[in-house]
Amino acid sequence: GENVEQHPSTLSVQEGDSAVIKCTYSDSASNYFPWYKQELGKGPQLIIDIRSNVGEKKDQRIAVTLNKTAKHFSLHITETQPEDSAVYFCAASSVKAAGNKLTFGGGTRVLVKP
Amino acid sequence: DAGVTQSPTHLIKTRGQQVTLRCSPISGHKSVSWYQQVLGQGPQFIFQYYEKEERGRGNFPDRFSARQFPNYSSELNVNALLLGDSALYLCASRDETGGWGYTFGSGTRLTVV
Repeated sequence: GENVEQHPSTLSVQEGDSAVIKCTYSDSASNYFPWYKQELGKGPQLIIDIRSNVGEKKDQRIAVTLNKTAKHFSLHITETQPEDSAVYFCAASSVKAAGNKLTFGGGTRVLVKP
Repeated sequence: DAGVTQSPTHLIKTRGQQVTLRCSPISGHKSVSWYQQVLGQGPQFIFQYYEKEERGRGNFPDRFSARQFPNYSSELNVNALLLGDSALYLCASRDETGGWGYTFGSGTRLTVV
């Protein structure tokens, strides 16, 4: 089955700096890669996603890149703000497969210091 | 529009007991999935249902079962609770005819003592 590795497990950045989180996946059939932000006591919130036919996608301060050959995808947050502090999860899925489950990485705890 | 709603929000059960968790998907979403999130880890897939049929099952014992109702709401049942079942149980819904994104509820925090 699919396996998703996420690094780093913790990330501390100064407000205004950039943050980068990297994930690798194992199943070449995966074609959908969402990123979720989870704040304390809440469920994961979808912040951006990318499909396998696209190499890069941007939404304001957040961008995601995908390298299908290397089976890598990354989340980039620019101009970080204290409200970006949370746990971030990457995930992979084969949307066309039956029971198209999300396989999550282990999470990255991001702390933005004012 | 209301998001994915789950009930109860918190629950404390004793080992060996049974528990039922409930989920109402976003209006119009026919696909519901259940995930278990142990503290400090990413969510793990338990079940997916679409149009009342099971579409997928994760690597969980038969003590875990679920069903989906005609209104697309869903229940997750766990029998013979173990201490290791303590976790946040998340429900997610998706519009299978639209985008690929899943929307998660805030979860039910289950503590087994």
